[in-house]
Amino acid sequence: DGGITQSPKYLFRKEGQNVTLSCEQNLNHDAMYWYRQDPGQGLRLIYYSQIVNDFQKGDIAEGYSVSREKKESFPLTVTSAQKNPTAFYLCASSIVGTPGELFFGEGSRLTVL
Amino acid sequence: AQKVTQAQTEISVVEKEDVTLDCVYETRDTTYYLFWYKQPPSGELVFLIRRNSFDEQNEISGRYSWNFQKSTSSFNFTITASQVVDSAVYFCALRRTDSWGKLQFGAGTQVVVTP
Repeated sequence: DGGITQSPKYLFRKEGQNVTLSCEQNLNHDAMYWYRQDPGQGLRLIYYSQIVNDFQKGDIAEGYSVSREKKESFPLTVTSAQKNPTAFYLCASSIVGTPGELFFGEGSRLTVL
Repeated sequence: AQKVTQAQTEISVVEKEDVTLDCVYETRDTTYYLFWYKQPPSGELVFLIRRNSFDEQNEISGRYSWNFQKSTSSFNFTITASQVVDSAVYFCALRRTDSWGKLQFGAGTQVVVTP
């Protein structure tokens, strides 16, 4: 079945450690996104990529990094510079030109201890 | 600046009742797109509908209906004869003009349907 796979579903990390969240899609979509969800705040855009080897900062990119070396993969690294990394992270993809119809993964919940 | 407001944090209904979710948006653009997404307990958001600013016709899909009123900048969503499976968080979103794929989400409304 086509879809987006995020891993791990749950992750615990100590303060000061970097952690990488995986996102893989087999929908053949050109565009991919990372959103952060906090209780009562909706989703906020971290990074997005419209094409391989290119990505752009979203609204809350500080303390995060991404790469897009393959069309199907868009990993997100939460660095130790991120002040409040405990959150639910959602990866999404879309067809270029489809105005906003996003397909989402099931998310990764990161807890910093 | 663009903004989406979902003033209802949580709505609780008994099965078979109707429930209406409010969405009010702000934008200076004359052309824009509005969306509704559903987030069930499993976590992934599911696309429900897209509406462009030129199309004010209301839409019905099964038990779901949407009322778009440009004059009041609202895009409300009604679930008729609610079911337990409708329990989820529902997000309204506005497409941002600087990128076709970037969405501005509201805070979401939790719908709880009890048998």
